[in-house]
Amino acid sequence: DTEVTQTPKHLVMGMTNKKSLKCEQHMGHRAMYWYKQKAKKPPELMFVYSYEKLSINESVPSRFSPECPNSSLLNLHLHALQPEDSALYLCASSQGQGGTYEQYFGPGTRLTVT
Amino acid sequence: SQQGEEDPQALSIQEGENATMNCSYKTSINNLQWYRQNSGRGLVHLILIRSNEREKHSGRLRVTLDTSKKSSSLLITASRAADTASYFCATVEFYGNNRLAFGKGNQVVVIP
Repeated sequence: DTEVTQTPKHLVMGMTNKKSLKCEQHMGHRAMYWYKQKAKKPPELMFVYSYEKLSINESVPSRFSPECPNSSLLNLHLHALQPEDSALYLCASSQGQGGTYEQYFGPGTRLTVT
Repeated sequence: SQQGEEDPQALSIQEGENATMNCSYKTSINNLQWYRQNSGRGLVHLILIRSNEREKHSGRLRVTLDTSKKSSSLLITASRAADTASYFCATVEFYGNNRLAFGKGNQVVVIP
């Protein structure tokens, strides 16, 4: 199974809502990533987890809160978002942390903040 | 962090033709990777070329790397409509933080 799954596919939320994005992989990968991608732009790294521990936080605002409950799951908790946070949120995983490993991406969650 | 910069930004070709896109970068790299993204979907890894490699093939894909010019090219031969996508190069800096730095991306449209 070489698939990374993400739920939900689409999410519309108000600025006062709390929601969560979920990501799952069963490839035994030890590194997992959250990226944010705006239309017609490249993905921007947000967070990296390695062996279930947060290893990189790219100075992401605290209204985004990542969580890695176990080696297969990655969550992104959202609270008090702004309209400019509307984007495609991509999860990825790799065998190990770092650029020497191929990253496997999920299909993304299309988030709209109203 | 550095980012690869692809050139050209948009390419429209007829099915069966070859498509070439380039990527330039600014610092020493450990490796360079190419990814494909179909509209609004996740990225798919295509190929990884290490800094000590000059050329790599995978099916209809051919990637070259010229570290003296700090550039790479991706060639798709005998293009198909299904190759319509955005293509991103991503670099990993040799002395950097070991993360992927994505370039701006090339939009390729293959006309049937």
